[in-house]
Amino acid sequence: NAGVTQTPKFQVLKTGQSMTLQCAQDMNHNSMYWYRQDPGMGLRLIYYSASEGTTDKGEVPNGYNVSRLNKREFSLRLESAAPSQTSVYFCASTPPGSSYEQYFGPGTRLTVT
Amino acid sequence: KQEVTQIPAALSVPEGENLVLNCSFTDSAIYNLQWFRQDPGKGLTSLLLIQSSQREQTSGRLNASLDKSSGRSTLYIAASQPGDSATYLCAVGAGYSTLTFGKGTMLLVSP
Repeated sequence: NAGVTQTPKFQVLKTGQSMTLQCAQDMNHNSMYWYRQDPGMGLRLIYYSASEGTTDKGEVPNGYNVSRLNKREFSLRLESAAPSQTSVYFCASTPPGSSYEQYFGPGTRLTVT
Repeated sequence: KQEVTQIPAALSVPEGENLVLNCSFTDSAIYNLQWFRQDPGKGLTSLLLIQSSQREQTSGRLNASLDKSSGRSTLYIAASQPGDSATYLCAVGAGYSTLTFGKGTMLLVSP
């Protein structure tokens, strides 16, 4: 199992450009999550998907959209990137059952200039 | 709104010491609590998960305790090693919906 994978690892965007961060898991997990991590702020939830076909807003959803393409894949889209979106983005997933233990991907480091 | 605080923010110890990292949370209605390790420039690695009905979990030299009523958890690391140097994150879970993270404790274990 590769676990949770994210692409790309690094990205530099200009203000106003758009891009999609990809996340996939091969562990047959039901729920998937997108977080951002900023110095001094900790990790904050952007969006999550409790199951295929559903998505919900987290703490900081403004400026982002998500798509739960299928059970394996959960993408995060920035339609018009802003410097405030410079951050490290992590995807996570949880297995079926009641533990809700979250497993994280390696992250995408995004810089918006 | 759940708030999670980790004390200390940074800790430096010599190799071999036993140490305790602290985590407190404001809302005791939690589903679980998870401790993670994060190495510089890397993702998060889950260390221990404690369900709300449990009091502690152990893995090797790590022991995590949970006191839901007082809103506290501790991560005990025995016989610390330089390889334990990392940032340790505490996160409180409310079922499937969300984890609320503390800002972490940066640990440095010197040889």
